[in-house]
Amino acid sequence: AQSVTQPDIHITVSEGASLELRCNYSYGATPYLFWYVQSPGQGLQLLLKYFSGDTLVQGIKGFEAEFKRSQSSFNLRKPSVHWSDAAEYFCAVPSVNDYKLSFGAGTTVTVRA
Amino acid sequence: EPEVTQTPSHQVTQMGQEVILRCVPISNHLYFYWYRQILGQKVEFLVSFYNNEISEKSEIFDDQFSVERPDGSNFTLKIRSTKLEDSAMYFCASSRQDEQYFGPGTRLTVT
Repeated sequence: AQSVTQPDIHITVSEGASLELRCNYSYGATPYLFWYVQSPGQGLQLLLKYFSGDTLVQGIKGFEAEFKRSQSSFNLRKPSVHWSDAAEYFCAVPSVNDYKLSFGAGTTVTVRA
Repeated sequence: EPEVTQTPSHQVTQMGQEVILRCVPISNHLYFYWYRQILGQKVEFLVSFYNNEISEKSEIFDDQFSVERPDGSNFTLKIRSTKLEDSAMYFCASSRQDEQYFGPGTRLTVT
């Protein structure tokens, strides 16, 4: 079954520094992949998605992600982090049949001044 | 911009009581989902609903759970007899195909 793994539970980054969150997928074919963000007390907001084509995907809030088949990865990046980026980030992959999502365990990002 | 809404935002109930969590999906969406997130854990799939029937359900979604789309706009999750371990954040989501839009969640606290 398709699944994603997020190796980093918690990352602390200084405001203005770059951020990279790791996601590895397990999937037979070319997967669809998503990144969601959950701010404290909020629901899940879609940051970006990969379906096919260009392996570098641009999303909202200045985030981007790169699909690398050779590494089975879909890492999320942001060149310069803002304090408002402090949140929990989830990588997710849908099933083939009905699009239900399987989420990674999430990475909590703390931004220090 | 259309959004998924959920009510209530927080529900406190006693063990053994029935609860109904309500969701209004985005109007032209075809697929509907419930997920839950126990505090400190990952988001878990509960059930998907398409064409007025359950299309898939997880092991968590046992006989205590049911879903309904009673009037073409609301999508509800019922837990018949709540347990302490049902305490979690419950998220509703809807989609036309593969891009799911999530509601803000209902925090269920079972005491």
